[in-house]
Order: sequence, then structure tokens, then C-alpha cells
Amino acid sequence: KAGVTQTPRYLIKTRGQQVTLSCSPISGHRSVSWYQQTPGQGLQFLFEYFSETQRNKGNFPGRFSGRQFSNSRSEMNVSTLELGDSALYLCASSPGNGNIQYFGAGTRLSVL
Amino acid sequence: QQQVKQSPQSLIVQKGGISIINCAYENTAFDYFPWYQQFPGKGPALLIAIRPDVSEKKEGRFTISFNKSAKQFSLHIMDSQPGDSATYFCAAKASGGSYIPTFGRGTSLIVHP
Repeated sequence: KAGVTQTPRYLIKTRGQQVTLSCSPISGHRSVSWYQQTPGQGLQFLFEYFSETQRNKGNFPGRFSGRQFSNSRSEMNVSTLELGDSALYLCASSPGNGNIQYFGAGTRLSVL
Repeated sequence: QQQVKQSPQSLIVQKGGISIINCAYENTAFDYFPWYQQFPGKGPALLIAIRPDVSEKKEGRFTISFNKSAKQFSLHIMDSQPGDSATYFCAAKASGGSYIPTFGRGTSLIVHP
């Protein structure tokens, strides 16, 4: 089985722009979660989608949004980028109960 | 509020030594405790996990010790190897309600040859 695929791997944006990140989960997995990883804060949970519905949400501002498509692929959007949004964004998929999450390699976002 | 506290932040050991990483949690509803290993340029990967009905779980050179009364659990890496150099995250999750684990802030392990 192919693993979790995230695209693009690297992104450079400027403040005020918006960005969309993509995640393709493992085939058959219905849950997709997004995390922000920074050196100072570790792994911070953004949101989780299950069968196209947002099931859980972390404590991030509304500039961070996501969606999931009928094929379980997910996108994450960040609007009005700030310097502090520079981070590694990780996507993780699981069959549904969330006990085992399989992570992608992440998208490294740099905001200048 | 940090619900899972992980220490140390960084750890350096010699090849063949024992690496020990500790985590403490607050939420007594947590009943699943996985450890993830992350190499540079890669996402975290599940290494080993434990449930509170056992006090220890061993898989090869990796062992989780669990102390329910103290609400603490730790990862022991025996005979540490340079290839074990990575960042390790502990996590905790409750079966009911949210399926989202709470992660510790990570430990950067360097094993010198």
C-alpha cells in the first residue's frame, strides 16, 4: 500500500498570501488529521476530518481551514499568512478509530 | 495547557548505552500511549504503544514502562545505535470522545558512534 502523500513538499510564500496544502491518505483510511510542527511547540493538532466532515478541531485561528473530499483526500488552507505560520505541516491518516496514525513526510512552509 | 510533559528535550548517549525518555500525563481518561519516531525530513512513525493494563511492553531493543499511579510512562532504548538518532514523541489518547492524541514536545536523541 502506498503511504500518506503530501504535496508540495516545500513552499515559500510572503506575508498576506494564502496557501493550500494537499494530503492523500492511505487507501481505505477515512480519517485525516492535520498538525503543525514547530521546534518550540512540537506537534500541534489543527483539525481532523472523517468522511468529509470535520470531527475535531484544535485551537487555531479561523485563517486555518480544511476540507475532505469523497475520496478521503484532504486539503488545508491558510489565508492571510503570517511569519509565525512558518512550520512543517503534517497530515496523518487512520482507518477511523485514530489509534494508529500514519504520517506523511509533511509540507515545509516558509513565510517571508 | 500541556497535558503530556516530555523530558528531556535533548539527549546524547554513546553507542551501546541506554536511552531513557520520560513522559507524564494529567488526564486520567487517557488509555492509549504510543511513541513515535521521526527522522529528519520524514513524518513521525509509530514505534511502540502501550495500554494501562500492562506495566511494560518490549519490542526488540525498545521498551515502554508504564506507571499508572504516577501517571508516567517512559521509553527505554537498549544498546542504542547511531541509527536510533531521531526525535521521539510520546503521546496519549482517550478511547472515548476525541480520537486525537495529545503529543509531548519531543526529545532529540543523538547516539554517538
